[in-house]
Amino acid sequence: ETGVTQTPRHLVMGMTNKKSLKCEQHLGHNAMYWYKQSAKKPLELMFVYNFKEQTENNSVPSRFSPECPNSSHLFLHLHTLQPEDSALYLCASSQESDTQYFGPGTRLTVL
Amino acid sequence: KNEVEQSPQNLTAQEGEFITINCSYSVGISALHWLQQHPGGGIVSLFMLSSGKKKHGRLIATINIQEKHSSLHITASHPRDSAVYICAVNGGGADGLTFGKGTHLIIQP
Repeated sequence: ETGVTQTPRHLVMGMTNKKSLKCEQHLGHNAMYWYKQSAKKPLELMFVYNFKEQTENNSVPSRFSPECPNSSHLFLHLHTLQPEDSALYLCASSQESDTQYFGPGTRLTVL
Repeated sequence: KNEVEQSPQNLTAQEGEFITINCSYSVGISALHWLQQHPGGGIVSLFMLSSGKKKHGRLIATINIQEKHSSLHITASHPRDSAVYICAVNGGGADGLTFGKGTHLIIQP
């Protein structure tokens, strides 16, 4: 248990569906991150939020839309995804540039 | 953009062996992280280094800033050490991490 929770743990969706991934951290951190891990590829950064403000968007397609309503919650809204978006989506949090704590991930399958 | 290279990509060893995993990066960093990922996906941070050496139990991590190189060592390896070990770097502040491809380690009893 790292103090970072993610829901759902598994998600199957069609290409026309709209769904959201949720991340919550109970550590009092001020920075939160979305990462993507595709099969056979390294983990890659998607978004960074610092004090609820987006500070980095790593050229992510607009079909992925992040939302950070407060420092403890982070969402990733998904719409009109493609099968190649199937991956493990990981959330992490940190206090400034300190150690990042990862959630268990959401395993997403797009049909 | 930082390029992070890890070696070896795959490593199988016998229980008790001394294990070394290497990581190199191309651009100066503020910190380097070693992470462990078990089957199922969960990632645990093992070390965060900006200089020198750190030790935690049977794990030792070193970094040479001038050579842009880090190593992770496991002493007296055990089957429960079997996992993917990932090197990651960040440039400063609350930056996201740039990751290596990982080293898939299997320790056989």
